[in-house]
Amino acid sequence: EAQVTQNPRYLITVTGKKLTVTCSQNMNHEYMSWYRQDPGLGLRQIYYSMNVEVTDKGDVPEGYKVSRKEKRNFPLILESPSPNQTSLYFCASSRLVGQGVVNTEAFFGQGTRLTVV
Amino acid sequence: GESVGLHLPTLSVQEGDNSIINCAYSNSASDYFIWYKQESGKGPQFIIDIRSNMDKRQGQRVTVLLNKTVKHLSLQIAATQPGDSAVYFCAENPFSGNTGKLIFGQGTTLQVKP
Repeated sequence: EAQVTQNPRYLITVTGKKLTVTCSQNMNHEYMSWYRQDPGLGLRQIYYSMNVEVTDKGDVPEGYKVSRKEKRNFPLILESPSPNQTSLYFCASSRLVGQGVVNTEAFFGQGTRLTVV
Repeated sequence: GESVGLHLPTLSVQEGDNSIINCAYSNSASDYFIWYKQESGKGPQFIIDIRSNMDKRQGQRVTVLLNKTVKHLSLQIAATQPGDSAVYFCAENPFSGNTGKLIFGQGTTLQVKP
């Protein structure tokens, strides 16, 4: 089954304690991205990756890091989480069509609800 | 700045009726406009998209209309079913050349009454 898998689904942590949210997709998609979803603000892109070893900032990258060492995995790293990073996080993947054009059909994971206290 | 907005936060319809969900956008340069559905506890799911050079596109039980003159996008769902209950987001891909970034609206919650 084609899917994007995030772990963990729920996480409560303390301020400053480094954490990683994993994301893996089995569709051989080149493009992967991270979004956060907050009430009243909708979904906002944090980082994206067009392919292995190629990452770039989205709209709200502050306080986050990503890596893309393998095509299937795109972990989101919070080096020093703060309470304002409490949110619902989604990983998504899409295939590329043609030269560097991202398909509009993005496949989203189930989400990771993060609480930073 | 970029923004995508929806007219109503909640829409309640009777099962079997048609639903119309509206969205206003601000970026005239967007190549694609997309509708996503998010069920409770799940990630957004792609429904249908429309390219900026089209004004109508039909899928299975869904139709998307694009009016570029007034920057308006709508999603029509025929014969609404209980399984259609979800939050619906319009989104746009704001850059030609396509970085893959999606700008999402706030979402409309569709409630289907039996």
